[in-house]
Amino acid sequence: GEDVEQSLFLSVREGDSSVINCTYTDSSSTYLYWYKQEPGAGLQLLTYIFSNMDMKQDQRLTVLLNKKDKHLSLRIADTQTGDSAIYFCAEIQAGGYNKLIFGAGTRLAVHP
Amino acid sequence: DSGVTQTPKHLITATGQRVTLRCSPRSGDLSVYWYQQSLDQGLQFLIQYYNGEERAKGNILERFSAQQFPDLHSELNLSSLELGDSALYFCASSVETGGGRYTFGSGTRLTVV
Repeated sequence: GEDVEQSLFLSVREGDSSVINCTYTDSSSTYLYWYKQEPGAGLQLLTYIFSNMDMKQDQRLTVLLNKKDKHLSLRIADTQTGDSAIYFCAEIQAGGYNKLIFGAGTRLAVHP
Repeated sequence: DSGVTQTPKHLITATGQRVTLRCSPRSGDLSVYWYQQSLDQGLQFLIQYYNGEERAKGNILERFSAQQFPDLHSELNLSSLELGDSALYFCASSVETGGGRYTFGSGTRLTVV
């Protein structure tokens, strides 16, 4: 079935690295996504990775994809207070459908 | 600015009423998607249009309908509103049907009283 799972909460110290993990179920997903949502705001696309890639790096963000284990992670280097938000992992449903299946979101709290 | 424009940002209306939410996709994107975000259901896919035609349907109620116009903007119509329809409604767009850059607007917060 469709299920994307994430841990609900992560707390890190400012300046440390944050790693947010996600597991997905559809092994034929073509794209996997990370979105950031700040309180009262919309969904900001942080990055996405095509399924034939293992890693993607974009400035402070590193995405790792382990297709065998259906595991996706987002690493934020030098985490800042402005990174405090909810982070959603999503997979695109394969098989001719085009919907994103979202996880419940991981709330990242950054403290001094 | 994501390039996806949604109006209005906030909407308060009474039960039984009908509202229309509007979305303009990012320039060059042909696909438009509608999602609902509620506290109990999380982010749920409602419907997708590609170049004016319906392509995929999710958990969209019969009281809800959508369309995409020739200029590619889309409208989501919600009728016979109930308290449980209160949620954040997002529009997203992408250039292709199968994924790629999938960008969301800032959403319309609907409150039904």
